[in-house]
Amino acid sequence: AQSVTQPDIHITVSEGASLELRCNYSYGATPYLFWYVQSPGQGLQLLLKYFSGDTLVQGIKGFEAEFKRSQSSFNLRKPSVHWSDAAEYFCAVGVWGNDMRFGAGTRLTVKP
Amino acid sequence: NAGVTQTPKFQVLKTGQSMTLQCAQDMNHNSMYWYRQDPGMGLRLIYYSASEGTTDKGEVPNGYNVSRLNKREFSLRLESAAPSQTSVYFCASSVPGSSYNEQFFGPGTRLTVL
Repeated sequence: AQSVTQPDIHITVSEGASLELRCNYSYGATPYLFWYVQSPGQGLQLLLKYFSGDTLVQGIKGFEAEFKRSQSSFNLRKPSVHWSDAAEYFCAVGVWGNDMRFGAGTRLTVKP
Repeated sequence: NAGVTQTPKFQVLKTGQSMTLQCAQDMNHNSMYWYRQDPGMGLRLIYYSASEGTTDKGEVPNGYNVSRLNKREFSLRLESAAPSQTSVYFCASSVPGSSYNEQFFGPGTRLTVL
């Protein structure tokens, strides 16, 4: 069965520093991959998605992610973090139909 | 467009009480979903409805029932609430299409069962 692992439960970075959030998936075929962000008390908002094609995908709010098939990874990056990026980030893998599995999430704290 | 709306935002129940969580979307999406979110476990699918008139179990369906009332509305019912059902519940809907589609989420319902 497909699964998603986010190895880091909590990450703290300084404002202006670069960010990388890790995501590893387990699935036999090429998955559909997503990153969502959840601000406190809010629902989930889609940051970006990968279906096929170029393995480097751009998203909203200056985020990007790279699909690496050989490493079964889909890491999220941002070159310069802003205080407003503090939130919880979820990686998810979808398969044909309606099944979608989420990682446990990574909580990002941004230091001034 | 309001997107995906959920009511209520907060609810406190006593063990054994029943309640229905309401969800509606105005994006003309065919598919709708109910998830629960628990600390350290991400989101887990409870039930989904691929289209009006159909519902299917997800990963954690026990203790829940659903109704796809029409294309817009998808409700989740707890017949006899238990403390283990304390969670944040999210409704989502997805764009119709032939391949896997991104999901759009509501703001959530925070439920506490005492």
